[in-house]
Amino acid sequence: NAGVMQNPRHLVRRRGQEARLRCSPMKGHSHVYWYRQLPEEGLKFMVYLQKENIIDESGMPKERFSAEFPKEGPSILRIQQVVRGDSAAYFCASSPSIGRANEKLFFGSGTQLSVL
Amino acid sequence: QQQVKQSPQSLIVQKGGISIINCAYENTAFDYFPWYQQFPGKGPALLIAIRPDVSEKKEGRFTISFNKSAKQFSLHIMDSQPGDSATYFCAATPYQTGSARQLTFGSGTQLTVLP
Repeated sequence: NAGVMQNPRHLVRRRGQEARLRCSPMKGHSHVYWYRQLPEEGLKFMVYLQKENIIDESGMPKERFSAEFPKEGPSILRIQQVVRGDSAAYFCASSPSIGRANEKLFFGSGTQLSVL
Repeated sequence: QQQVKQSPQSLIVQKGGISIINCAYENTAFDYFPWYQQFPGKGPALLIAIRPDVSEKKEGRFTISFNKSAKQFSLHIMDSQPGDSATYFCAATPYQTGSARQLTFGSGTQLTVLP
């Protein structure tokens, strides 16, 4: 049973380009979370999605960032017109249910985004 | 008030020693405190968690101690091993009204256990 799969592992973009990060949740999981980890900082929640629905995007920057979790295929975190401050590790997590406080989240290995 | 302050930022311990990582919070609504372990190149994984109805929870060599009045909690790793070398994150959220996505994470402690 494969875990949460994220790709690519490393992504290099120049300022102004678009970054697309992919996340395939664990089999049987229909809830996906995206987190951002800046150097020497903890994980910061960005967005919570269920299939075809964005449930909570309170942690997403208002501009340039978007996320989707289509009926078929992986969840996508899209960053348009990247800037150097977007350089970070982006982690995806999945859970089988609604994600109560003590829900165990299963994290992927992350995508390290570097903006030149 | 949403912050969770974690210390130290890095910790070096000899094999067999005790590793202690501390976290403090201000939001009195927090009443669920998990710890996550992250190995290099991997995502965080839930290690152990505590609710404030107990002052201590032990799982193998890992123990969480909780001080409700001081609003502090700590992770103790007994008989530390080189395989414990990782980054450890504390986190907090309300239990009844909160959710996994509302976890507030500390800034992490990079633990190195020397052989």
